[in-house]
Amino acid sequence: DTGVSQDPRHKITKRGQNVTFRCDPISEHNRLYWYRQTLGQGPEFLTYFQNEAQLEKSRLLSDRFSAERPKGSFSTLEIQRTEQGDSAMYLCASRPPRGVGETQYFGPGTRLLVL
Amino acid sequence: AQSVSQHNHHVILSEAASLELGCNYSYGGTVNLFWYVQYPGQHLQLLLKYFSGDPLVKGIKGFEAEFIKSKFSFNLRKPSVQWSDTAEYFCAVNDFNNAGNMLTFGGGTRLMVKP
Repeated sequence: DTGVSQDPRHKITKRGQNVTFRCDPISEHNRLYWYRQTLGQGPEFLTYFQNEAQLEKSRLLSDRFSAERPKGSFSTLEIQRTEQGDSAMYLCASRPPRGVGETQYFGPGTRLLVL
Repeated sequence: AQSVSQHNHHVILSEAASLELGCNYSYGGTVNLFWYVQYPGQHLQLLLKYFSGDPLVKGIKGFEAEFIKSKFSFNLRKPSVQWSDTAEYFCAVNDFNNAGNMLTFGGGTRLMVKP
């Protein structure tokens, strides 16, 4: 399968714990996005990477959230001191270089439940 | 900020009925427009997209959408739905105000097709 992959697919944690999610984009896609989707809503943008550089961050991304893409390939999203309001589906998407394609391809998501 | 409105949150149709899902966006400049579909238990998949040219775009599985610039609309249509079209449908717009061109999604329309 050459699509976007995410790990884990499901995560249950207790309030106050830290969690980390991983996203592996489609190879040669240099642009990577994280979105969050809560029940009954459309995905909302969190952050954007072009290669290893984090170029955009939403106001939704509080200080407890941090994302990295150290080598311009896979990315991680960490949530520190989780709160019940963090419960959501976290989606990753990747996109080819500018001029090659403008479609974002989504992974299956990581569903987080904070108890 | 860009916003996207999908007016129908839930739609129930019988097989062979015609479908039209509304989508309106707020940004008045150049936009790329998308419809994504999420089948039960699956990840978001691209249904169709509009970048430029013919405002009537055709996608997979018999879906089409019409871009009407004067109405800021990009409605999705299908002449005859099938039970397998049961899914959630999301309209999305590329935000050219930000370097990352992240997507702004509508709230989604949940379609149920009765056999």
